[in-house]
Formats: sequence, C-alpha cells, structure tokens
Amino acid sequence: AQSVTQLDSQVPVFEEAPVELRCNYSSSVSVYLFWYVQYPNQGLQLLLKYLSGSTLVKGINGFEAEFNKSQTSFHLRKPSVHISDTAEYFCAVRYISNFGNEKLTFGTGTRLTIIP
Amino acid sequence: SAVISQKPSRDICQRGTSLTIQCQVDSQVTMMFWYRQQPGQSLTLIATANQGSEATYESGFVIDKFPISRPNLTFSTLTVSNMSPEDSSIYLCSVAGPRGEKLFFGSGTQLSVL
Repeated sequence: AQSVTQLDSQVPVFEEAPVELRCNYSSSVSVYLFWYVQYPNQGLQLLLKYLSGSTLVKGINGFEAEFNKSQTSFHLRKPSVHISDTAEYFCAVRYISNFGNEKLTFGTGTRLTIIP
Repeated sequence: SAVISQKPSRDICQRGTSLTIQCQVDSQVTMMFWYRQQPGQSLTLIATANQGSEATYESGFVIDKFPISRPNLTFSTLTVSNMSPEDSSIYLCSVAGPRGEKLFFGSGTQLSVL
C-alpha cells in the first residue's frame, strides 16, 4: 500500500535558523508531491508542489523542496525561519496509476515550533 | 488521534447523476472540512462543516452543487450533484483536533464522471 512518512512529529527551531522537514513516500512509477501548511484553527494552505520538471521546487514564504526519486524523498527546507512559520506541515503524495486508480495520501504532519 | 473512515473509496458515475460521500470519525469533532483535488492541482477547500450550523462554502462552491450534511459530531456527508466530467476529482474529508491545531484525513474518494 502507498504510504507517506514524516519522520519528525515535532521540530523546534530557533528563529533565523535553517530548517528541514523530512518526507519519504513509498515508491511508485508516477507521483505528484505537495507540501501544505496548517496554521492554528485554519484549513490547509499549499506551500509548493512538484508535478514534473525541475526537481527543486520553490514555494511561498521562502520554502523550497527537492524531489529525490532515488531516495523517494521530498524534504521541505527554509534557510531562515520566522516566528510566523510556527504551524503544522503536511507532506502529501498523489499516486498516479495507468489503470485510472489514483490515491491521495497525507503524512501525519510535523509540528514546527519557532523559538524566539 | 482521530480515525476517519471515508466511503466510497472510488466510484465511476454517469453525467447528470449525484454521488454522496460519507465521512465517519471515531471521536467527536467540531470542525470538519471537505476538499477536492483535481488532476495536477492542489487541494481546494470546498466547505467547512460545523455541527449544528450551515456549512460555510468557499468562493466558487455553492450548496446546490455540493450539499453537505452534518447530523452529529462524528459524521458528515458531501453530495456532488448533477455531475459533469469536470467534477472528476479526489474528494477528501478532514477533521481538526480538539485545539484546532492538527488535521486528520480520510482516505479520499476518487470520483470519475463519464
């Protein structure tokens, strides 16, 4: 079965420090990859997505992610975090099947806490 | 954590018909969200369903097309009415944790409209 793993449930980081949130997915021929952010009491907001093309994807709020097919990873990075980045971050994978059976799977989320 | 059962997991429907998607949660939750993801697109919030009040729809979505029921704190349905091929998407139910800071997701419903 397809799966998405976010290894870190909580990541505390000092303000202005870099951060990497890890995401690994089970291998498949074709996938679309997404990172979403959830601020308290709000729904999901798209940070960035990878559909095809360049493996380095830049998103909003200074975030970027790199698609690594050999390692089946899509880690999210930001070189310098801000207090406002405190939120829950979700990695999501859409598995594309030639047989028309597609599935959207979410990781369990990583709570990013920025320390002043 | 909340466990969400969503069904059907997949359906193929004829144009002009309607499909109701069910979302059952194993605990009482206040906020439930319905999303859809069209091919190659990100998730789009359709509506927020709180028990005891009318669902709140996002811009571009209307109750006549996507009626939602929320009869209690553990269950909700989303109906996709008068379907057209443009409604072919994955539809996803999610719920917020007790402090609204964590989301949990159903397994999704893949809808194909012919």
